[in-house]
Amino acid sequence: DTAVSQTPKYLVTQMGNDKSIKCEQNLGHDTMYWYKQDSKKFLKIMFSYNNKELIINETVPNRFSPKSPDKAHLNLHINSLELGDSAVYFCASSHGWGAGEKLFFGSGTQLSVL
Amino acid sequence: AQTVTQSQPEMSVQEAETVTLSCTYDTSENNYYLFWYKQPPSRQMILVIRQEAYKQQNATENRFSVNFQKAAKSFSLKISDSQLGDTAMYFCAFTPANAGGTSYGKLTFGQGTILTVHP
Repeated sequence: DTAVSQTPKYLVTQMGNDKSIKCEQNLGHDTMYWYKQDSKKFLKIMFSYNNKELIINETVPNRFSPKSPDKAHLNLHINSLELGDSAVYFCASSHGWGAGEKLFFGSGTQLSVL
Repeated sequence: AQTVTQSQPEMSVQEAETVTLSCTYDTSENNYYLFWYKQPPSRQMILVIRQEAYKQQNATENRFSVNFQKAAKSFSLKISDSQLGDTAMYFCAFTPANAGGTSYGKLTFGQGTILTVHP
């Protein structure tokens, strides 16, 4: 059983389209995240949720809207896709939000905007 | 703002040998955690080891150990008896702990070091 699963693994789309990435964790964790890894492999946090509530929004454009219907799911919807949105998006979860918490990552969604 | 620097873009090592990956960071925080994450070709990030700044003793996890030099703000990863499965990109990461000991998962990552283990 995959602990943190993301779908789809690959997403190719045209500029201007709207797309969603889904994430589910079966670890019973309270906290979930979205991270973005750019073409230079640089990883940066986008959002942090705890018990379905948004905790961190790292000045991400409002075209990106996360939604957490329950503790086990955190989806990412992106409107009006731009070329610069091409990246790998990682969902992650942790038991809580302590500084030493181990993050469990999904295997990423590679988004290519043409 | 915190920064994490990994000065070695690529490293290689022979199987069964030892290799050390470097990481330096810059912060004015007193309480924080440092991590090494591994990203194999499968792309999934996996925690290798973590260290709390208040702990003097260097963390160890089987073949993986760190050399944490707080004053120098240095946090290197030593991999002993390297195995082919250790081939991956390794990321050093930092997170400060606020007054409540929380960080909300906000890790600052370095640029990564690609490690190749040769048979």
